[in-house]
Amino acid sequence: LAKTTQPISMDSYEGQEVNITCSHNNIATNDYITWYQQFPSQGPRFIIQGYKTKVTNEVASLFIPADRKSSTLSLPRVSLSDTAVYYCLVGDGTGNTPLVFGKGTRLSVIA
Amino acid sequence: DSGVTQTPKHLITATGQRVTLRCSPRSGDLSVYWYQQSLDQGLQFLIQYYNGEERAKGNILERFSAQQFPDLHSELNLSSLELGDSALYFCASSTRAGGPLEQYFGPGTRLTVT
Repeated sequence: LAKTTQPISMDSYEGQEVNITCSHNNIATNDYITWYQQFPSQGPRFIIQGYKTKVTNEVASLFIPADRKSSTLSLPRVSLSDTAVYYCLVGDGTGNTPLVFGKGTRLSVIA
Repeated sequence: DSGVTQTPKHLITATGQRVTLRCSPRSGDLSVYWYQQSLDQGLQFLIQYYNGEERAKGNILERFSAQQFPDLHSELNLSSLELGDSALYFCASSTRAGGPLEQYFGPGTRLTVT
């Protein structure tokens, strides 16, 4: 799995849009970009995945530039319940490849 | 609810003891993974089983072992426990038909070794 770099922590006020950027300079042609969310004492939760351009679901958007060396997870109008650790993972595994987690980004949403 | 179940939720035991953690994957998922999360090491992959067979090994200690049964549930056995084994242990499952790196995690078992 390609190495990723993301900020250790971020703070945001409720109602704001939060963008978390992940760098993955060594991404390979077949690699996908995946983000997980983890609340304290809970298992990580898959939130979004993309290969190029933009992906949007009911939880977040994922922006991937043409060179794919970075990606940005965008959380619209965050609430206190979005306080969590967000992990960026890059790899080409099928649905059967172990995950390698970095330290993630700890997002704190403030009222 | 991810569909992955783990028991027990909490486990408190003494050093030197042996415990068994149990995991039931989502219906239809053939792959089961075990991860350990401690404060100083973060989330680390331990071992993977696919349809009853060991598929990949990560940072799993020799004191730890796992297996996957014909009904696809899995057990992680931890023996000769040490204080440093205190952690959250997560089980995850996935399907070949799923997207790359897409796994579903259980609620975890919190192990405390005293």
